[in-house]
Amino acid sequence: NAGVMQNPRHLVRRRGQEARLRCSPMKGHSHVYWYRQLPEEGLKFMVYLQKENIIDESGMPKERFSAEFPKEGPSILRIQQVVRGDSAAYFCASSPPGGQDTEAFFGQGTRLTVV
Amino acid sequence: RKEVEQDPGPFNVPEGATVAFNCTYSNSASQSFFWYRQDCRKEPKLLMSVYSSGNEDGRFTAQLNRASQYISLLIRDSKLSDSATYLCVVNGASGGGADGLTFGKGTHLIIQP
Repeated sequence: NAGVMQNPRHLVRRRGQEARLRCSPMKGHSHVYWYRQLPEEGLKFMVYLQKENIIDESGMPKERFSAEFPKEGPSILRIQQVVRGDSAAYFCASSPPGGQDTEAFFGQGTRLTVV
Repeated sequence: RKEVEQDPGPFNVPEGATVAFNCTYSNSASQSFFWYRQDCRKEPKLLMSVYSSGNEDGRFTAQLNRASQYISLLIRDSKLSDSATYLCVVNGASGGGADGLTFGKGTHLIIQP
């Protein structure tokens, strides 16, 4: 059973381009979380999704950022018109049904660098 | 409004010593509690879940105090390899009805030889 898979591991984008970050949860997991970690800072919650539904997006910036978790395929975090301040490590975590009583497992993250 | 709060440290502790740190959470309805460990530039990994009755795993002991709304982590006989950032995680901490995980910013622990 493979763990949470994130790709790419490293992504370099020029200002104004789009960044697409992918997260394949562990087999059997239907809950996905995205977190952002700026250098020397803690993890910051962005969005919580279940299959085809956004449950909580209170941590997502209002503009340029969007997330989806389709019925088939990985969860995607999309950042449009990237700016230097978007440079960070983006971690995805997944957990199985059962929600609150289960821990989450993390992918290795995608390190986005905006130049 | 701080939902899950931790002392960021760093805690500089000699090898072999015992170290403890706490984490407070704001939502009394929170259901689940965890300690994660994050090494530099790596993903967080589950260290242990925290149960109402407290739990112990080798040199690590975690406890929950619902009345005061905090959880604690105790590390005995600390090793150099314990150096890491320890993240307190609470499920349902936001108080807004969303059953998501909320992470504290972490406590940085440095074990010194």
